[in-house]
Amino acid sequence: EPEVTQTPSHQVTQMGQEVILRCVPISNHLYFYWYRQILGQKVEFLVSFYNNEISEKSEIFDDQFSVERPDGSNFTLKIRSTKLEDSAMYFCASSIGRNQPQHFGDGTRLSIL
Amino acid sequence: TQLLEQSPQFLSIQEGENLTVYCNSSSVFSSLQWYRQEPGEGPVLLVTVVTGGEVKKLKRLTFQFGDARKDSSLHITAAQPGDTGLYLCAGLTGNQFYFGTGTSLTVIP
Repeated sequence: EPEVTQTPSHQVTQMGQEVILRCVPISNHLYFYWYRQILGQKVEFLVSFYNNEISEKSEIFDDQFSVERPDGSNFTLKIRSTKLEDSAMYFCASSIGRNQPQHFGDGTRLSIL
Repeated sequence: TQLLEQSPQFLSIQEGENLTVYCNSSSVFSSLQWYRQEPGEGPVLLVTVVTGGEVKKLKRLTFQFGDARKDSSLHITAAQPGDTGLYLCAGLTGNQFYFGTGTSLTVIP
């Protein structure tokens, strides 16, 4: 069964550094998402992406965040200047349609030192 | 911020028992999904319910969407140790999915 893959599984970065989290969505899916889950807290929506542009973003997704689909397969989340509070699991998801079920990757654990 | 409250937050039961997990909100959702999440992994979709009052069964799991589409329940019959995990509901309103607070289930052999 096709799946969403995320790399790396764990990223350790110094505070203030830029980090790029990578995702390969399911190949025939058109909608892509990033979520964050801080340890012990619930999954929080960050951003949705369709047709090469952001379709919706939450208040968490501020100017330090950006997303990109640089080629036909990858979907990336960039955090420009990381803060300690950015430490979390970051999940990528994709769906075939706008309100269709989302399929999640296994996440990237981001640790900011 | 849409708030989806799940109850109970933690549940520990013996193998073979039945249980129900609740997902409640004051908001109306166009659809609601249930996921199960294992430690270190992403949420895995179990079911999507769309119509108020809809009931879906997945083997020993029964999902119900409230008539007003504000709440949902997950009932597990004869729980097994393999059912252990974090159960999450997620409601769709507008273009966003809002996740619930989660129910951590442990089934003791």
